[in-house]
Amino acid sequence: AQKVTQAQTEISVVEKEDVTLDCVYETRDTTYYLFWYKQPPSGELVFLIRRNSFDEQNEISGRYSWNFQKSTSSFNFTITASQVVDSAVYFCALRGAAGNKLTFGGGTRVLVKP
Amino acid sequence: KAGVTQTPRYLIKTRGQQVTLSCSPISGHRSVSWYQQTPGQGLQFLFEYFSETQRNKGNFPGRFSGRQFSNSRSEMNVSTLELGDSALYLCASSPTREVETQYFGPGTRLLVL
Repeated sequence: AQKVTQAQTEISVVEKEDVTLDCVYETRDTTYYLFWYKQPPSGELVFLIRRNSFDEQNEISGRYSWNFQKSTSSFNFTITASQVVDSAVYFCALRGAAGNKLTFGGGTRVLVKP
Repeated sequence: KAGVTQTPRYLIKTRGQQVTLSCSPISGHRSVSWYQQTPGQGLQFLFEYFSETQRNKGNFPGRFSGRQFSNSRSEMNVSTLELGDSALYLCASSPTREVETQYFGPGTRLLVL
């Protein structure tokens, strides 16, 4: 069985602060894929980033960066210099080797105050 | 390209009724998946369709069913609605069943009274 845990339920920061969201996953698949999605109040899930299990290179994309560590089964996500528009619920998700089925974490609500 | 569209956006039903939700994937996308989001259970996978065939199914009772048409549009049906079926139902599409990012629609908010 697959499992994704986001221990932080809510994070509150002041604009321009950095925000790091934690994600820990469990899977028996040797090949798997990890995602971060953002859900603003409108409800639509917006894709942010994807990482394959065989590629541990960490990258930066604009104000987003991620830290994937297979040894600790973690896939953390950082928003640099947060903005009010970053306020949303962020979900970490895991896709195994078999088909388009995502297992989601419980989500972390991020509140960025001006 | 237009995104994933879902209709209706909001729906109110009473217990015992049945409901049909519709999803139109991004043009060219052939895989459609459905998810249920509730405050208590979070986001849960319902099922995946590809080439008009159900490929994957989550742990939901048989009251939840779906289908996919030849143009890749998908519908999901919930029969004999229960209060606990009140949720945001999200549809996602991807080009194929291979590793591709799923893109989500705005969802249908269903309230069962």
